[in-house]
Amino acid sequence: QVQLVQSGAEVKKPGASVKVSCKASGYTFTSYDINWVRQATGQGLEWMGWMNPNSGNTGYAQKFQGRVTITRNTSISTAYMELSSLRSEDTAVYYCARGTYDSSGYQYYFDYWGQGTLVTVSS
Amino acid sequence: DIQMTQSPSSLSASVGDRVTITCRASQSISTYLNWYQQKPGKAPKLLIYGASSLQSGVPSRFSGSGSGTDFTLTISSLQPEDFATYYCQQSYSTPWTFGQGTKVEIK
Repeated sequence: QVQLVQSGAEVKKPGASVKVSCKASGYTFTSYDINWVRQATGQGLEWMGWMNPNSGNTGYAQKFQGRVTITRNTSISTAYMELSSLRSEDTAVYYCARGTYDSSGYQYYFDYWGQGTLVTVSS
Repeated sequence: DIQMTQSPSSLSASVGDRVTITCRASQSISTYLNWYQQKPGKAPKLLIYGASSLQSGVPSRFSGSGSGTDFTLTISSLQPEDFATYYCQQSYSTPWTFGQGTKVEIK
């Protein structure tokens, strides 16, 4: 079965960086995009960026441009999201989610999600 | 960026009720609209994609409709396990954006 398993909770100081991993299993890692979505406590969902694990191509939300980097290691079917220059407002649960196209090739959606990684930014 | 606005932000309903949640896009997105359910402490779960296509394994009491800018998610007969927060998300253009969520609570 398809699974995305994320790394554990992190506590970081303001100005530091954090790198969250997302290990995929149960499907061909290079055949589907990986997206990153975050959620502050009690708040809604915010998309950060995506990566095509086959090509390594990435795209980021303008809000995070210059601070976020999504990478992968295809040999271990793992994607990574690194966020730098952390501030208190970055405290949130970070999710990876598989991006899938339907059979028509037009509709795109997130069909599997990781369990989430809590990143706390505090001095 | 395309703004997604859900209404209501929260609602109270009883088991067996018919529930409708609305999502409006700031511009036309055809049928590039997905719905997710999220329970406390859990990751979101895909319910509906392409505005009206039911994801595999999702109960048929969930349905979606709409196109252009106005969309609805309907739960035909609310079950105890349906109490959760629901999000719409547009997949018309990046950045992918979500509605602010609708919390469905027990009356």
